[in-house]
Amino acid sequence: AQTVTQSQPEMSVQEAETVTLSCTYDTSESDYYLFWYKQPPSRQMILVIRQEAYKQQNATENRFSVNFQKAAKSFSLKISDSQLGDAAMYFCAYRSSWGSQGNLIFGKGTKLSVKP
Amino acid sequence: GAGVSQSPSNKVTEKGKDVELRCDPISGHTALYWYRQSLGQGLEFLIYFQGNSAPDKSGLPSDRFSAERTGGSVSTLTIQRTQQEDSAVYLCASSLGLGRGETQYFGPGTRLLVL
Repeated sequence: AQTVTQSQPEMSVQEAETVTLSCTYDTSESDYYLFWYKQPPSRQMILVIRQEAYKQQNATENRFSVNFQKAAKSFSLKISDSQLGDAAMYFCAYRSSWGSQGNLIFGKGTKLSVKP
Repeated sequence: GAGVSQSPSNKVTEKGKDVELRCDPISGHTALYWYRQSLGQGLEFLIYFQGNSAPDKSGLPSDRFSAERTGGSVSTLTIQRTQQEDSAVYLCASSLGLGRGETQYFGPGTRLLVL
């Protein structure tokens, strides 16, 4: 079974600085998808970024980028120029490309605080 | 268009009562997922629907949990004889289909508190 581990329960960053959130996963599959979701206090899970395992190029979305290391099974999220609105819980998630179920497997999350 | 909606937003119930949680997916999304988020267990997958069909119910925590979806749209998660350990946030998500890497869009969740 696949597992996702986020080793940093909490992180803090100064406004305008850069922060990196860590995620590792365990799988025997070669084709899969990885996601970072943000959950603010409103509880709504918002997709931040996604990565297809078959793509070597790291995904980027504006201030958000990932460092995808397939051999190391690592998928970290870098937030540049941090803003107060980035404060939230961040969840790393894995989705198998095999089978028909398609459910996400989540890590425990990292709570990010942004200091003004 | 409108996102995924869930109701009620919050629900407080007494132990032993039944509760119904509703999810209204994004229009046109054929796949629908239920997850549970609790302090002790993190985010757990419960069940998914493709259309009105739920092929695998093994993720449901006990036989007190059931779910249905009608008309390929609204889904209801029912918990019978609620227990305190059922207290959690129940999240619903939908996606266009079960295709490779389809993004799941989440609703705001229902926070359930069982006294």
